[in-house]
Amino acid sequence: DGGITQSPKYLFRKEGQNVTLSCEQNLNHDAMYWYRQDPGQGLRLIYYSQIVNDFQKGDIAEGYSVSREKKESFPLTVTSAQKNPTAFYLCASTTGYSNQPQHFGDGTRLSIL
Amino acid sequence: ILNVEQSPQSLHVQEGDSTNFTCSFPSSNFYALHWYRWETAKSPEALFVMTLNGDEKKKGRISATLNTKEGYSYLYIKGSQPEDSATYLCAFKGQGAQKLVFGQGTRLTINP
Repeated sequence: DGGITQSPKYLFRKEGQNVTLSCEQNLNHDAMYWYRQDPGQGLRLIYYSQIVNDFQKGDIAEGYSVSREKKESFPLTVTSAQKNPTAFYLCASTTGYSNQPQHFGDGTRLSIL
Repeated sequence: ILNVEQSPQSLHVQEGDSTNFTCSFPSSNFYALHWYRWETAKSPEALFVMTLNGDEKKKGRISATLNTKEGYSYLYIKGSQPEDSATYLCAFKGQGAQKLVFGQGTRLTINP
């Protein structure tokens, strides 16, 4: 079945450590997105990519980095510069057609040790 | 920064009752309005993508309306069932935008 796979489901980070969240899709979608969710807030966009080897900052990109070397993969690195990384992270993808909905993974919950 | 507001933030409804909630978005530069359902321990699932003023969409017992001139969309659930318990998210897309702006969601709980 086609879908989006995020791993791991739970991740713990020590202070000063970088961690990478994986997002893989086999839907042949061009565009991929990373969102962060905090309690009582909507999904906030961290980074997005419309095409391989290109990506743009979203609304809260500080302290995060991404790469898009392959169409199916869009990993997110939470760097030590992100001072409040504890959150739920969702990856999504969609086709290049404007009115198509986004498809989401199951998410990764990141906590600080 | 665009403002997309959903109300109420949470809602408790008796099984069998009908309910509705609201998504408010900028009335200028509209391109599309998305609705998603997000059940606990699952990934968000698309319900509707609405693009035309006056549009009405239906999926089973769930329907949605769109008013782009005044900047709101209603989501209706008829005869609520326990499986309707979820957070419902709306998301706005402006003209020329490559991204969605999400509301904070309405958390719906159906009491048996």
